[in-house]
Amino acid sequence: DTAVSQTPKYLVTQMGNDKSIKCEQNLGHDTMYWYKQDSKKFLKIMFSYNNKELIINETVPNRFSPKSPDKAHLNLHINSLELGDSAVYFCASSQGEGFSYEQYFGPGTRLTVT
Amino acid sequence: LAKTTQPISMDSYEGQEVNITCSHNNIATNDYITWYQQFPSQGPRFIIQGYKTKVTNEVASLFIPADRKSSTLSLPRVSLSDTAVYYCLVATRGGRRALTFGSGTRLQVQP
Repeated sequence: DTAVSQTPKYLVTQMGNDKSIKCEQNLGHDTMYWYKQDSKKFLKIMFSYNNKELIINETVPNRFSPKSPDKAHLNLHINSLELGDSAVYFCASSQGEGFSYEQYFGPGTRLTVT
Repeated sequence: LAKTTQPISMDSYEGQEVNITCSHNNIATNDYITWYQQFPSQGPRFIIQGYKTKVTNEVASLFIPADRKSSTLSLPRVSLSDTAVYYCLVATRGGRRALTFGSGTRLQVQP
């Protein structure tokens, strides 16, 4: 069984469109994260939720809006997509709150904005 | 958040031991050191975590000196499948500070 799954795996869209990426974890973890990995392979935290509560909201354009309907799901909605949004987006989860806890990552969603 | 510095890349041959060192001079008392492995087109995968001295699991060993200003990930007898990017991460348990993994160390294992 897949521990952390993301859909879609690839997403190609045009500038100005709105898109969503979905994430689900079946590990029973309390905390979920969204990361962005750019072309230089830097992996940067965007958001973190603990028990459906937003606990980390980094300096991310407000075009990005996370939504956690329940502990097992954390979706990422992006409005008015821009070229600079092209990257790989990873969802992750951990049992504890905080980055020192072992995180389980999803396979990533490669977003290409044209 | 403790900034980490790692070599950008390393090369090795199958069967050799590989040691990757990470510097974290401003590590805080409550910080833990964690290493992740990432293969192309996959998400990072937890390898090992430690606070001080030495930690060993079935995959790797982690050596942390007394001052904790650096740590060394040791991979025994690497194989081609160990070719990946390795990230060192320093973070406080329960901490909510911003986090960037950094560029990691790209390990290339040759036959």
